[in-house]
Amino acid sequence: AQSVTQLGSHVSVSEGALVLLRCNYSSSVPPYLFWYVQYPNQGLQLLLKYTSAATLVKGINGFEAEFKKSETSFHLTKPSAHMSDAAEYFCAVAKAAGNKLTFGGGTRVLVKP
Amino acid sequence: DVKVTQSSRYLVKRTGEKVFLECVQDMDHENMFWYRQDPGLGLRLIYFSYDVKMKEKGDIPEGYSVSREKKERFSLILESASTNQTSMYLCASSEPDRGNIQYFGAGTRLSVL
Repeated sequence: AQSVTQLGSHVSVSEGALVLLRCNYSSSVPPYLFWYVQYPNQGLQLLLKYTSAATLVKGINGFEAEFKKSETSFHLTKPSAHMSDAAEYFCAVAKAAGNKLTFGGGTRVLVKP
Repeated sequence: DVKVTQSSRYLVKRTGEKVFLECVQDMDHENMFWYRQDPGLGLRLIYFSYDVKMKEKGDIPEGYSVSREKKERFSLILESASTNQTSMYLCASSEPDRGNIQYFGAGTRLSVL
């Protein structure tokens, strides 16, 4: 069974500082990898996805993630945090052949002025 | 834009009641999903459906059932609600050939008293 681990359930960053959210997965085959964001009182929306093309994936709102097969990681970064980035972020993995997603536990980001 | 609509944002029910959570999508997607979201646990898949009248159990189906009589509608049923089913419930839909991207509703926060 696939699993996804997000290190740190809460992350606090200063406005303008680097945002780094960590995600490690276990999968026996190259997976589909996703980052979703959930703003307060909303559903999840897709930030970005990896589907075996370029290892560095750019998403919306200035976020990007790098797929590292050797480390089974898919960490999410943003060079400069904005107040509007305060949200909960979820990493998810799916097998290419199926359509079920397995989600990590989520990381809540707090941005300090 | 894809729209996934969940009929209620907040519900309060009593232990033992039968509860229906409704979800409708407007993009003719084949796949639909029900998740529950709990702090620290991320999203866990309850049931999913890949066609009308078809359903498969997810990771935590106990205490739940589903119904999909029409392609656009996917209902989650709690046959006899219990306090441990107090949670946020999220519905999602996807098209199998579109890179596993799931589109989420805003969620229903259910409290069982």
